Amino acid sequence: AQSVTQLGSHVSVSEGALVLLRCNYSSSVPPYLFWYVQYPNQGLQLLLKYTSAATLVKGINGFEAEFKKSETSFHLTKPSAHMSDAAEYFCAVSGGFGNEKLTFGTGTRLTIIP
Amino acid sequence: EAEVAQSPRYKITEKSQAVAFWCDPISGHATLYWYRQILGQGPELLVQFQDESVVDDSQLPKDRFSAERLKGVDSTLKIQPAELGDSAMYLCASSLAGRGLADNEQFFGPGTRLTVL
Repeated sequence: AQSVTQLGSHVSVSEGALVLLRCNYSSSVPPYLFWYVQYPNQGLQLLLKYTSAATLVKGINGFEAEFKKSETSFHLTKPSAHMSDAAEYFCAVSGGFGNEKLTFGTGTRLTIIP
Repeated sequence: EAEVAQSPRYKITEKSQAVAFWCDPISGHATLYWYRQILGQGPELLVQFQDESVVDDSQLPKDRFSAERLKGVDSTLKIQPAELGDSAMYLCASSLAGRGLADNEQFFGPGTRLTVL
């Protein structure tokens, strides 16, 4: 079974500041990990994914995440926040090939302060 | 760019009524998923199809919910009768999983927001 825990349901950062959204996972098999972004009343858009290749994953819109097996973490970062980054962010885990079901965290709402 | 289509985008109904949601996945995607997202929470899988077959419906409340994907392409999710607690966003997603690919990136539609009065 897989699960993810997102620390902090709400995060506020100033425009231009570092964004750090935390995600810890639990998995009985090597995990596939994902970060999705959701804007109000819209579906989810994939930001980036880890599928057992490079541990540092670069995604869209300047976001990146690092897979740390020793810490069972997959935190999302962006060096400089932009107003358009304000949204809900979800971390998700799956078991990969043959076990594609995504298990999502409860989400982190990111607010950007002008 | 190919997208997952869903309709309607918004649905308001009274409790005990029947509702239905439609999803058209990206062409060629074998796997289709229906998720329910309650306000303030992450999406939860209701049902997963591989072509026209149900792979996982363990979280689908089968006394009132049903889902079908008769020709292995588009899909319908039905609720009958609707209850107040069914108010949520219903998301459809599709992926290439099942075609011998390990990459199970799921592409999501815009969702249907259901309000039960």
